[in-house]
Amino acid sequence: DSGVTQTPKHLITATGQRVTLRCSPRSGDLSVYWYQQSLDQGLQFLIQYYNGEERAKGNILERFSAQQFPDLHSELNLSSLELGDSALYFCASSRGQRGWGEQFFGPGTRLTVL
Amino acid sequence: QKEVEQDPGPLSVPEGAIVSLNCTYSNSAFQYFMWYRQYSRKGPELLMYTYSSGNKEDGRFTAQVDKSSKYISLFIRDSQPSDSATYLCAMSADMDSSYKLIFGSGTRLLVRP
Repeated sequence: DSGVTQTPKHLITATGQRVTLRCSPRSGDLSVYWYQQSLDQGLQFLIQYYNGEERAKGNILERFSAQQFPDLHSELNLSSLELGDSALYFCASSRGQRGWGEQFFGPGTRLTVL
Repeated sequence: QKEVEQDPGPLSVPEGAIVSLNCTYSNSAFQYFMWYRQYSRKGPELLMYTYSSGNKEDGRFTAQVDKSSKYISLFIRDSQPSDSATYLCAMSADMDSSYKLIFGSGTRLLVRP
């Protein structure tokens, strides 16, 4: 158990809908990272937050947004969902801004868009 | 061309064998190199990380980085059926406050009892 929690474990929704994925980092970790893992694209970095502020952005679609709250939990919002958004979404956390060697992953949320 | 290339496997070996997993990369700015293990339907678990070139050993696992060749390896000695998983290499350039990890596609390993 990495100490990173994600809810829900599974999410099934329809195209055009909006969903929110939630992540709680390990105790004491200030950075939260979101990744998308699909069969054809592998594990792709989406976005990083550090202590409430956006720190780095990857290939995150404009339909996707995230935020980190004062209690350090983070939410990833996915809107106008498409079939291709079906994937595993992972959250990771690290102590500081530099997560290069210390990113600990949660169990993931499996999103299925029908 | 992808920044990080990794043979998807699957790689099937008998129990007790030495396993060699490899990744090549194209971005010479990468300085931090990691190996993650991912069991089916689970989150990646950090196994090893190294900075720049060199070797690092931890139990049955040895990570090697050759920056001149842009090539990294993970060796698993005395492999066990419990090592059966997908192994992902990951790298970071640590530039412009962007500490994102770039992952390989993963190699599926099967250790046969």
